[in-house]
Amino acid sequence: KNQVEQSPQSLIILEGKNCTLQCNYTVSPFSNLRWYKQDTGRGPVSLTIMTFSENTKSNGRYTATLDADTKQSSLHITASQLSDSASYICVVSDRGSTLGRLYFGRGTQLTVWP
Amino acid sequence: EADIYQTPRYLVIGTGKKITLECSQTMGHDKMYWYQQDPGMELHLIHYSYGVNSTEKGDLSSESTVSRIRTEHFPLTLESARPSHTSQYLCASSGRQGSYEQYFGPGTRLTVT
Repeated sequence: KNQVEQSPQSLIILEGKNCTLQCNYTVSPFSNLRWYKQDTGRGPVSLTIMTFSENTKSNGRYTATLDADTKQSSLHITASQLSDSASYICVVSDRGSTLGRLYFGRGTQLTVWP
Repeated sequence: EADIYQTPRYLVIGTGKKITLECSQTMGHDKMYWYQQDPGMELHLIHYSYGVNSTEKGDLSSESTVSRIRTEHFPLTLESARPSHTSQYLCASSGRQGSYEQYFGPGTRLTVT
C-alpha cells in the first residue's frame, strides 16, 4: 500500500533555532517528492519539489533532502521565525498516470515560540 | 502567490440545503482538482478534471458533483448537505505537460449543522 508517514506529528521550537522534519514513503513507482507549507485555514504552498535524481534542494531557509534508496526525505529549517509556524506536508507522486497521482502525509505541525 | 480563488471562504449551512463551492483560476491551467481535508488529517482527492467537459472521481468517495464547462472554473456542488460533509475543501490546479506543480486555493471551510 502506498503511504507517506511524517514525524514528528508536532514540534515546538524557540525562535532562531533549527529543526528537521522527517518523511518516509512507500510509494512506488516514484516520480517526485514535494514539501508544502500550510498555514492554518489556508491552502498548501509549495516549498520544494525533488525528482529521483535530486538529493537536495534549498528554498531560502528551507532545505530538503531525498534518499530515494531508503525512501526517506527531510526538511531542515534554519534560524526559525515566528512565521514558520504552520503544518509542513510531505507529498509523493507516482508515475502511474498522466495525472501524477499524489500521496499526502498528515503533516508535522510546527510551532515557533518567541 | 497563485492565481486561484475559492468562495466562500467560510460557510455554515443547515442540513438538506444545496450548496455550490466556487473555484476559479486565471493561469489557464488544464488540470483542476478538489481535495477534502479534516483537521490534522491528510488531503484526500475527491474530484479532478483534465480539461473542459472532463471530470473524474478521486480516491475518496464523495456525494458531491463537479462540472467543468470553462477552463478557468471548476465548481463543486452538494445537492443535500449533511453534517458528515463538514470539512475543509481545497481546490488546486496544475498547468503545462510535465509540470509537477499544483497550486492550491485558500480553501472553503464548510460546517453543516
